[in-house]
Amino acid sequence: TAGITQAPTSQILAAGRSMTLRCTQDMRHNAMYWYRQDLGLGLRLIHYSNTAGTTGKGEVPDGYSVSRANTDDFPLTLASAVPSQTSVYFCASSVSGELSGANVLTFGAGSRLTVL
Amino acid sequence: GQNIDQPTEMTATEGAIVQINCTYQTSGFNGLFWYQQHAGEAPTFLSYNVLDGLEEKGRFSSFLSRSKGYSYLLLKELQMKDSASYLCAVLDSNYQLIWGAGTKLIIKP
Repeated sequence: TAGITQAPTSQILAAGRSMTLRCTQDMRHNAMYWYRQDLGLGLRLIHYSNTAGTTGKGEVPDGYSVSRANTDDFPLTLASAVPSQTSVYFCASSVSGELSGANVLTFGAGSRLTVL
Repeated sequence: GQNIDQPTEMTATEGAIVQINCTYQTSGFNGLFWYQQHAGEAPTFLSYNVLDGLEEKGRFSSFLSRSKGYSYLLLKELQMKDSASYLCAVLDSNYQLIWGAGTKLIIKP
């Protein structure tokens, strides 16, 4: 089934450790995104990439880094995890960065991260 | 600042109709999206409005009034599987997507 694959599904991490959340899409979408979802808050954009080789900062980029070496993969790295990074992380993609009714976000199933 | 307001939780009865409201204050407007998110799952696209009026898609309809900064999602003939959170999101003048916190809809038999 075409779509977005995220790994791991869930992870418990000790504070201070590093972690990479993986995201792969097979839809040949140009734009990819990382969001975090916390109880009582809307989805917040961490980083995005409008095309392979480029990345940009979203609303809450501190403590996170991304790379976009090719069209399909968009990993999110936490260099030194802190408890406030406990969240559900969603990777998403779209045909291009110009969202519209014909170009909507498709989300992965999410990665639940707990930092202790 | 930019703000999207939705009720936190709503309860409705199977077979009935429910309206979920969304009001927004954003720097510009380039469209409004509704997504459905079942517990523990990914959000999935439901509807998009950029012009005033009603868009109908089967049992789901979405309405937009740009002058009032207001949208609603109307769900008819409610089914138990409609129990989910409904997320409202607005594209601002910079084409950045601003998300509401979501409305958890509970359907009772």
